[in-house]
Amino acid sequence: EPEVTQTPSHQVTQMGQEVILRCVPISNHLYFYWYRQILGQKVEFLVSFYNNEISEKSEIFDDQFSVERPDGSNFTLKIRSTKLEDSAMYFCASLGGIGQPQHFGDGTRLSIL
Amino acid sequence: QKEVEQDPGPLSVPEGAIVSLNCTYSNSAFQYFMWYRQYSRKGPELLMYTYSSGNKEDGRFTAQVDKSSKYISLFIRDSQPSDSATYLCASASGTYKYIFGTGTRLKVLA
Repeated sequence: EPEVTQTPSHQVTQMGQEVILRCVPISNHLYFYWYRQILGQKVEFLVSFYNNEISEKSEIFDDQFSVERPDGSNFTLKIRSTKLEDSAMYFCASLGGIGQPQHFGDGTRLSIL
Repeated sequence: QKEVEQDPGPLSVPEGAIVSLNCTYSNSAFQYFMWYRQYSRKGPELLMYTYSSGNKEDGRFTAQVDKSSKYISLFIRDSQPSDSATYLCASASGTYKYIFGTGTRLKVLA
């Protein structure tokens, strides 16, 4: 069964550094998402992306965050200057079309030191 | 008021029991309802997907949506120790933004 893949599985970064989290969505899917889950807390929506532009973003997704689909397969989340509170699991998801459910990757655990 | 509310548990049941997991939501515009299962340090795994009101069954799992009371349920029949996980409900009005509940931790005892 097709799946969403995320790399790396664990990223350790010094506070203030830039980090890029990578995702390969399911082939032929059209909608792409990033979510965050702080340890022990709920899955929180960050941003959705369709037709090469942001469709919707949450208040968490401030100017430090950006997303990009640099080619036909990858979908990236960049955090420009990481803070301690950015430590969390980051999940990528994709969706084939309207009326279909989201499918998630296994996440990247981001640890900010 | 949170958009999607879910009892965090933990919920412990004996093997073979019927499990009932529930969520409530506040946004009348929600029309897509999902249940995901999440094991420790893994991503949410889609279990059930329902559009609008009604029931949907898949093997041991049944999802129910009652839009009049804004209530979402997941039933697991003949529960197994391998069902022990966190169960997440999620809702959306459209395609662009899904809202998750906090998740209910389930433990099925052998």
